Amino acid sequence: KQEVTQIPAALSVPEGENLVLNCSFTDSAIYNLQWFRQDPGKGLTSLLLIQSSQREQTSGRLNASLDKSSGRSTLYIAASQPGDSATYLCAVRRNTGGFKTIFGAGTRLFVKA
Amino acid sequence: KAGVTQTPRYLIKTRGQQVTLSCSPISGHRSVSWYQQTPGQGLQFLFEYFSETQRNKGNFPGRFSGRQFSNSRSEMNVSTLELGDSALYLCASSLGSSGGTDTQYFGPGTRLTVL
Repeated sequence: KQEVTQIPAALSVPEGENLVLNCSFTDSAIYNLQWFRQDPGKGLTSLLLIQSSQREQTSGRLNASLDKSSGRSTLYIAASQPGDSATYLCAVRRNTGGFKTIFGAGTRLFVKA
Repeated sequence: KAGVTQTPRYLIKTRGQQVTLSCSPISGHRSVSWYQQTPGQGLQFLFEYFSETQRNKGNFPGRFSGRQFSNSRSEMNVSTLELGDSALYLCASSLGSSGGTDTQYFGPGTRLTVL
């Protein structure tokens, strides 16, 4: 059974700091891994998607890496801004005759101005 | 291109009633997945539909059901509502392709409150 864990559960940093969010999963047979952000009471916004055959993806100040063998992914945010404050969710997708996505509990990030 | 839309956005029901939620995917997307989000359990997978067929289902009781229409729009139904069904219900659409690049796009959700 696939389990997804995110550490830390919450993080508060001053503006401008670089930071790393961690995601670990128990079953390496994944289809892809997607990072999302969620603002309070809202839906999810896709940030980055890494295919199972890839090692990393970059978009602007965000960089996500994937190490399937160790069951880990990291989301690196450079030069954090107050607008980055949100909950960041890691989602592992499996294809077992149909897609199933398992989410971590998220990391709540607060960037102080 | 319009995003994923969900209706209604907010819903208040009483225990024992039933409810139907609707999701319209992004044009061209054939896969629709449903999730329940609660403070205690986080985001949990309900089911996934592709071309009108349910391909996968999460660990929820039979009171939760869904369907997908030929235009890819999807509905989910919850019968005999319980207080614990109060949650944000999120729908996501994707192309449903098997190439590994299948990105899910989420709607804004329907906030269901059961009194």
